[in-house]
Amino acid sequence: GENVEQHPSTLSVQEGDSAVIKCTYSDSASNYFPWYKQELGKRPQLIIDIRSNVGEKKDQRIAVTLNKTAKHFSLHITETQPEDSAVYFCAAPRGGGNKLTFGTGTQLKVEL
Amino acid sequence: DTAVSQTPKYLVTQMGNDKSIKCEQNLGHDTMYWYKQDSKKFLKIMFSYNNKELIINETVPNRFSPKSPDKAHLNLHINSLELGDSAVYFCASSQALNQPQHFGDGTRLSIL
Repeated sequence: GENVEQHPSTLSVQEGDSAVIKCTYSDSASNYFPWYKQELGKRPQLIIDIRSNVGEKKDQRIAVTLNKTAKHFSLHITETQPEDSAVYFCAAPRGGGNKLTFGTGTQLKVEL
Repeated sequence: DTAVSQTPKYLVTQMGNDKSIKCEQNLGHDTMYWYKQDSKKFLKIMFSYNNKELIINETVPNRFSPKSPDKAHLNLHINSLELGDSAVYFCASSQALNQPQHFGDGTRLSIL
């Protein structure tokens, strides 16, 4: 199928710990992999994205890694803070690159 | 200045009615989208337009009809509203396909 699977669905960490969210896609033609953060009652906002010509991208405490062979990509958040608490969505294009399909979301809770 | 603005923010109406949601972007983007986010937070693409032309039309009931009068606007008209249409509808825009998408604040549609 042309799905994007995302795990875990919920993730609870202590402040200062790291959080990792993983996604798997099925369309081998996919070449763009964004991550969105959605706070409660707010709109999704892009936090980082990666293209298929690189294996890793980092922006301060956030990094994304991509394994094209295994069709996996992951979001890594280090030194988590309470304001990181939100729902995170991965996404990957399918159908020849036209349709961005979102994962099912991960509810991240950073506890004090 | 709000980059992607959609109106109304809340819409409460009765089953069987017809309603419209409007979306405007001032980012100069060529591509616009409509997404539906249900109560489980799943984000699903409904339609996408590129320069006023429909390029993505997911499996959506034909009660839903998008209209793009120009590339800065993408409106969504819904006929004969049903209980299952209750959701948050997000408009988004991007420079092109597989580019970062900017989301509006959402329209929360509740069907009584």
